Amino acid sequence: NAGVTQTPKFQVLKTGQSMTLQCAQDMNHEYMSWYRQDPGMGLRLIHYSVGAGITDQGEVPNGYNVSRSTTEDFPLRLLSAAPSQTSVYFCASSLGTGAEKLFFGSGTQLSVL
Amino acid sequence: GQNIDQPTEMTATEGAIVQINCTYQTSGFNGLFWYQQHAGEAPTFLSYNVLDGLEEKGRFSSFLSRSKGYSYLLLKELQMKDSASYLCAVRDFSDQAGTALIFGKGTTLSVSS
Repeated sequence: NAGVTQTPKFQVLKTGQSMTLQCAQDMNHEYMSWYRQDPGMGLRLIHYSVGAGITDQGEVPNGYNVSRSTTEDFPLRLLSAAPSQTSVYFCASSLGTGAEKLFFGSGTQLSVL
Repeated sequence: GQNIDQPTEMTATEGAIVQINCTYQTSGFNGLFWYQQHAGEAPTFLSYNVLDGLEEKGRFSSFLSRSKGYSYLLLKELQMKDSASYLCAVRDFSDQAGTALIFGKGTTLSVSS
């Protein structure tokens, strides 16, 4: 049981480049989400999904797109990378949205130059 | 909106007891989680409270008072490996938050010998 798998672990981009952070879970979780973590700011929610075909914005959605075509996958797209998007990104999933705990991926360290 | 406050840093010595406080303001409270995050790693689940009172799990306990918007995480018999960040997170079912899990900025605990 792999849990939540995030790729890549590290990425360096130039300003203006686009890329997709991949996230997959094999636990049949309905709920998936993306957070970014910056020093002194804690984990901030970017986008989330409560099931295939359903996505919604979190606290800091600007500059990011998501889609949820399958239950397993929830990719995060950076359309035109900016230095302000330098951060550690975590994908997380849970069985539901009540008492169910979030399981986190191992994170992606992204640097935008 | 939501507001979650916890101390930025705490220090303690091996074998001691430490209490990490968390206060929150939300529109539609539906549960509070505590996560542990070691440097460079993903957060891992510690505890969940939805009703008032104390939940005990080994050396860790978590308390919730919904009327006061207050929780604490109690760590007993501290060990060096407990040096980590401790994240308080609230599930908020208000219209603005949807079904998101909102995190505080975290408390960095340093345990010394």
